[in-house]
Amino acid sequence: EVQLVQSGGGLVQPGGSLRLSCAASGYTFSSHWMHWVRQAPGKGLMWVSYINTDGSATAYADSVKGRFTISRDNAKNTLYLQMNSLRAEDTAVYYCARTNDAWDYWGQGTLVTVSS
Amino acid sequence: DIVMTQSPDSLAVSLDERATISCKSSQTVLDSSNNKNYLSWFQQKPGQPPRLLISWASTRESGVPDRFSGSGSGTDFTLTISSLQAADVAVYYCQQYYDIPRTFGQGTKLEIK
Repeated sequence: EVQLVQSGGGLVQPGGSLRLSCAASGYTFSSHWMHWVRQAPGKGLMWVSYINTDGSATAYADSVKGRFTISRDNAKNTLYLQMNSLRAEDTAVYYCARTNDAWDYWGQGTLVTVSS
Repeated sequence: DIVMTQSPDSLAVSLDERATISCKSSQTVLDSSNNKNYLSWFQQKPGQPPRLLISWASTRESGVPDRFSGSGSGTDFTLTISSLQAADVAVYYCQQYYDIPRTFGQGTKLEIK
């Protein structure tokens, strides 16, 4: 059974940092691109970042470029999102998602709250 | 960026009636080299992650009831629920996976009339 289990969310002050993790199981992690998506409270879905199978290619939404870094450890079957210089507008539920062209499996989501 | 626009923003339909949601993209998501439309539909219920219903514009995922169907090509797409059930109350999103950045429609909230 494919599972994506997320961890690492929480409350952080503006300007602070947080690292999200997404642990994959039940499939060959290194064979699939991965994405991060976020959903602000009461709002729609916004793509944040993607990484290819070996980590050699990444991309970011303009709103997080230069502040967020996506990475993966294929030996540990884990995806990461390092978030620096956090702002109030980064407050959202963050989801990881597996790509099989379409996004067929999602993590359970983790809430990041940026507030003083 | 490819802009995805859904209509309507909200929809109330009686049980056992048909529900139709439209999604338009600002540029084509059809790859002419393989004749595939890079368009998905998701269902999201409160407190849950999105669930993939339809990929390639019209391919229903395993386990998705056959009352859900997707159609369209190029820039115009439709999600149809043929006979609305109470379990279908949710927000529905279309998404293009043709290009980076991946983009979503704004969502359509589906309720029971």
